[in-house]
Amino acid sequence: GAVVSQHPSWVICKSGTSVKIECRSLDFQATTMFWYRQFPKQSLMLMATSNEGSKATYEQGVEKDKFLINHASLTLSTLTVTSAHPEDSSFYICSASSRDTQYFGPGTRLTVL
Amino acid sequence: GENVEQHPSTLSVQEGDSAVIKCTYSDSASNYFPWYKQELGKRPQLIIDIRSNVGEKKDQRIAVTLNKTAKHFSLHITETQPEDSAVYFCAASTGGSYIPTFGRGTSLIVHP
Repeated sequence: GAVVSQHPSWVICKSGTSVKIECRSLDFQATTMFWYRQFPKQSLMLMATSNEGSKATYEQGVEKDKFLINHASLTLSTLTVTSAHPEDSSFYICSASSRDTQYFGPGTRLTVL
Repeated sequence: GENVEQHPSTLSVQEGDSAVIKCTYSDSASNYFPWYKQELGKRPQLIIDIRSNVGEKKDQRIAVTLNKTAKHFSLHITETQPEDSAVYFCAASTGGSYIPTFGRGTSLIVHP
């Protein structure tokens, strides 16, 4: 199956700093990628849909100025958590679609101190 | 929008028993139903999927059934093994946009 990578796998940062997470489709081109957030023992919550070459579409309640998404190429999307706070600590997972199937990255564990 | 309900939230079985997880969806336009398995701290992995033109699909010990009229679909795992222990998510989406809506997940525990 298709492979999606994500970097970094975990990050610890101080409150107020910004963190960038990369999502790459390794063996296929993805015009659309998705960013999810998952709290412990909860489901995947879609944050935004990232479209190559255009602005991301954010879900209701997700601050677009706080969670900056850039999809500059068909294989790379980035999520930047700006001015991170402890409540932003979570597991962030990206995914990319190949045909009708969605493939997930390994996730990034963000801890904001 | 689509709403997916998943039950039970926790399922505990003995090794060798069968496990069934059920989901319902609200949007009759949904036509693609994948199931994902997520082990602790890892990515969700697609284990089986079904499209609306099929009523049942089987892959070794895993099967999925779909009832379009009732808008529900189920995951069946037979001869469960300890390594089946994980959180399972159902999802529903329409084939065009492919933005799946996930259920809340079922934590399956298989006791040796």
